Amino acid sequence: GQNIDQPTEMTATEGAIVQINCTYQTSGFNGLFWYQQHAGEAPTFLSYNVLDGLEEKGRFSSFLSRSKGYSYLLLKELQMKDSASYLCAVANSGYALNFGKGTSLLVTP
Amino acid sequence: GAVVSQHPSRVICKSGTSVKIECRSLDFQATTMFWYRQFPKQSLMLMATSNEGSKATYEQGVEKDKFLINHASLTLSTLTVTSAHPEDSSFYICSAKMGTSGYEQYFGPGTRLTVT
Repeated sequence: GQNIDQPTEMTATEGAIVQINCTYQTSGFNGLFWYQQHAGEAPTFLSYNVLDGLEEKGRFSSFLSRSKGYSYLLLKELQMKDSASYLCAVANSGYALNFGKGTSLLVTP
Repeated sequence: GAVVSQHPSRVICKSGTSVKIECRSLDFQATTMFWYRQFPKQSLMLMATSNEGSKATYEQGVEKDKFLINHASLTLSTLTVTSAHPEDSSFYICSAKMGTSGYEQYFGPGTRLTVT
C-alpha cells in the first residue's frame, strides 16, 4: 500500500525560510517529486529526488533519505506568490505518482 | 516545449449523460499518459495509467466501465465519464510522460467537471 504524510497547513513570513516535511511508506519507489499547486490549477514541477541527498534549484531545495522514508522541501526567501499547496508524490515503477494530501502554505507580510 | 493540453477546461453536464475529456501532448510523443482526479481540498488521486495501443491499467476502486480510457495515438488520450452522477464532479487532470526512460511527466491544465 501507499502512505504519504505531510502537514496539512503551514504559515511563514515573507523573506523567511520554511521546510515542508514528507514521510512515506510505499510498496514501490522510483523517486520522489515535489509539486506546487495553486487553487484550480494543475501542479507544476519543483523537484525530483531518486538518490539520497540534497538537490538545490534556486530558492527551492529538496532532500531525500530513502532509508528513513523521508523528504523535505526547503523554500528560502519566501515571497507572497509562494502561497500555494505543496504536494509530495512518490513514483511507482511505471512513474505513476501517488500524492500526499498536500501542505497548504500561507506566506504573510 | 513539453506542453500538454486538455479539452474542455470546464464542462457542466446533466446526470446520466456521458462526457469525454481529451488530453493531448502538443510537441512530444507520450508513450504513457496518466489520469488523476482531485476532489475539493484533497490531493490528486491516480485513476489509471494509459499506454499507447494497449488497455489502461486502473487503480483499485476505479470502475473501468464507468471511466473509459482510450490512448489511440502517441499524442492523444481520452477519458470518457459514462452515465455521470453528481459524485463524479471533480477536477480531472492528465499527465504525459515522454518516452520509456526518464522521469519527467507533464501535467495538463485540468478539466473541471460539474454534474448537475
